Amino acid sequence: DTGVSQDPRHKITKRGQNVTFRCDPISEHNRLYWYRQTLGQGPEFLTYFQNEAQLEKSRLLSDRFSAERPKGSFSTLEIQRTEQGDSAMYLCASDLEGYEQYFGPGTRLTVT
Amino acid sequence: GDSVTQMEGPVTLSEEAFLTINCTYTATGYPSLFWYVQYPGEGLQLLLKATKADDKGSNKGFEATYRKETTSFHLEKGSVQVSDSAVYFCALSDGYGNTPLVFGKGTRLSVIA
Repeated sequence: DTGVSQDPRHKITKRGQNVTFRCDPISEHNRLYWYRQTLGQGPEFLTYFQNEAQLEKSRLLSDRFSAERPKGSFSTLEIQRTEQGDSAMYLCASDLEGYEQYFGPGTRLTVT
Repeated sequence: GDSVTQMEGPVTLSEEAFLTINCTYTATGYPSLFWYVQYPGEGLQLLLKATKADDKGSNKGFEATYRKETTSFHLEKGSVQVSDSAVYFCALSDGYGNTPLVFGKGTRLSVIA
């Protein structure tokens, strides 16, 4: 069990560029979650998957954001036309339904 | 919607002092309650949880009791150590467990020797 991994760990991009983040959950976990954390705040829910189905999206997830989990394993989160307000830590978590959520180390995005 | 309010930090304590971090919640139904900890440079880790009223979660000397009457889940430790320095987050999920978590803003604890 290698834990939840996220790639990249840091991303610096210019405003208007597209970025994509990857999350690899713990292998037997069927649920995968994305959260966003800004400085001095707690994580805020963005979206989650059960297997390959996206079950819920927060209203924080504007139409510039899209997430996929094509084979029910890893997931990607894409942000199009990035804005400075998108600068944050993007956290991924996974669980086996009904059990503890395990968090990855996060991807820190800086939009300049 | 559901929400969590926890005491503002930072909190600075001397080693072996008693710790309380207050957490109150607003939720429909009967949520599950959690404390997560984030050590410097590391990801969030579950510290303890409670799934129904009057349950006490405990781990590593930390305790919290689910109080439905006061909608609270205060974190306590009798004697803190320097290694407890971290950011602590109170969180809830709905009563069916492990649906998306709603977090408080976090409380930074610094313990000095």
